[in-house]
Amino acid sequence: SSELTQDPAVSVALGQTVRITCQGDSLRSYYASWYQQKPGQAPVLVIYGKNNRPSGIPDRFSGSSSGNTASLTITGAQAEDEADYYCNSRDSSGNRVVFGGGTKLTVL
Amino acid sequence: QVQLQQWGAGLLKPSETLSLTCAVYGGSFSGYYWSWIRQPPGKGLEWIGEINHSGSTNYNPSLKSRVTISVDTSKNQFSLKLSSVTAADTAVYYCARALRSSYGNYYYYYMDVWGKGTTVTVSS
Repeated sequence: SSELTQDPAVSVALGQTVRITCQGDSLRSYYASWYQQKPGQAPVLVIYGKNNRPSGIPDRFSGSSSGNTASLTITGAQAEDEADYYCNSRDSSGNRVVFGGGTKLTVL
Repeated sequence: QVQLQQWGAGLLKPSETLSLTCAVYGGSFSGYYWSWIRQPPGKGLEWIGEINHSGSTNYNPSLKSRVTISVDTSKNQFSLKLSSVTAADTAVYYCARALRSSYGNYYYYYMDVWGKGTTVTVSS
C-alpha cells in the first residue's frame, strides 16, 4: 500500500483547470514531485521542489503544498495532458521512496 | 543531456533471478541516487531500491530479502538482481536518476531522468 494517497481518477473539460492531490505524512517535510505517464511510455517529471518545472514542461503545470497535501494544478488542460499522474517523495524516515497510487486524468 | 540505457533478460521462469543493468551516458555518476522502479501490468509505480555512487543502498522492505543493487562506477553502470522470481514480479522495470536535497525547512526528492523500461515476464 502507498504511503501517499491519490484519487484514482479525475476528469476536466478541455481548457479548464484541474487539481490533482496527494496526501501523506512525509509531505510535511518533503516537497512532492509529480510525474506524467502516457500509455506505453516511461514516466516524465513535470514538477519538483516547491514549484519547479523541468525544461520543456509547459507553464500550465504548477505545484503547491499545504500541510500533508501536495497538489498538481493544470491551468487550461489540453487534450495531450490526458495521462496518469503520480506523486512521489521519500517516506518520513527518509530511508524509503514512495509513490502515490496514481491519478488517471481524462480530458473531456 | 543525460540518458539511461537499460537492458536485461525479458523472459524468466519461476525461481530464476532477474538481472538488469542501466548505463548512464552524458553525465556525472556522483551526487545522485540511482533507482530501480517497476510497474506491473495495469498498475502503479513501485520503488524497488536505490544506490549512490559510493555503493550505499536502500531497498523497499517488501522486496529487500530478494533484491541486490550494485554499481560499477568505472563503467557508469548500476544493476538490479531480484532472486526467486514469481509471476507477481512480471512488470516493466525502469531505472532512474534521482536527486535529494533541502530547501529551507523542506527536503525535496525527484527522479529527473528515466530509462525507457524493460518488460520482464515470469512464466513457466
